[in-house]
Amino acid sequence: GEDVEQSLFLSVREGDSSVINCTYTDSSSTYLYWYKQEPGAGLQLLTYIFSNMDMKQDQRLTVLLNKKDKHLSLRIADTQTGDSAIYFCAESISNFGNEKLTFGTGTRLTIIP
Amino acid sequence: EAQVTQNPRYLITVTGKKLTVTCSQNMNHEYMSWYRQDPGLGLRQIYYSMNVEVTDKGDVPEGYKVSRKEKRNFPLILESPSPNQTSLYFCASSNRVGTEAFFGQGTRLTVV
Repeated sequence: GEDVEQSLFLSVREGDSSVINCTYTDSSSTYLYWYKQEPGAGLQLLTYIFSNMDMKQDQRLTVLLNKKDKHLSLRIADTQTGDSAIYFCAESISNFGNEKLTFGTGTRLTIIP
Repeated sequence: EAQVTQNPRYLITVTGKKLTVTCSQNMNHEYMSWYRQDPGLGLRQIYYSMNVEVTDKGDVPEGYKVSRKEKRNFPLILESPSPNQTSLYFCASSNRVGTEAFFGQGTRLTVV
């Protein structure tokens, strides 16, 4: 079955690194995504990683994938107030022509000045 | 500018009064889908469409209908809305597996 889990809340001091964790259960996922949702806005794709990769870095963002443990993490270096948002982990599963994104519950990141 | 446009952004309606939420994309994407977002549940897929005239149920299709008469439009229809359909709805489009899914800004629906 498909299940994606995240903790609901994370608070980080401005300037520190934020690490948001996610676990998933479906080993057939092809891509794993991190989306950001700011208040009153839609979802913005931050980054994604193909399931056969271990790590991907993009400026302040680092994605780590442990496929054996089905664990995905997003590290935001030098966290800024503009990083305050809800972060969703999602896995992409292709099943009989349906590319479905299964989302976690989202982690609300709060920045402490 | 590449975008997915949903209308309306906000809607308050009464139980049983039919409504339609429109979704339009300008990227010539084949694949479109609808999600609802509820606190503590993340986003759940309602319906999806792989191309014109091809639609199928997602995880939570009960109480919803969709149509895909043109490639760019994918409206969500609630024939007889009920309070448990109060939610935040998102439309998304993509070029299929492995490519970015673009989301609309969301439609906040309240059914009283």
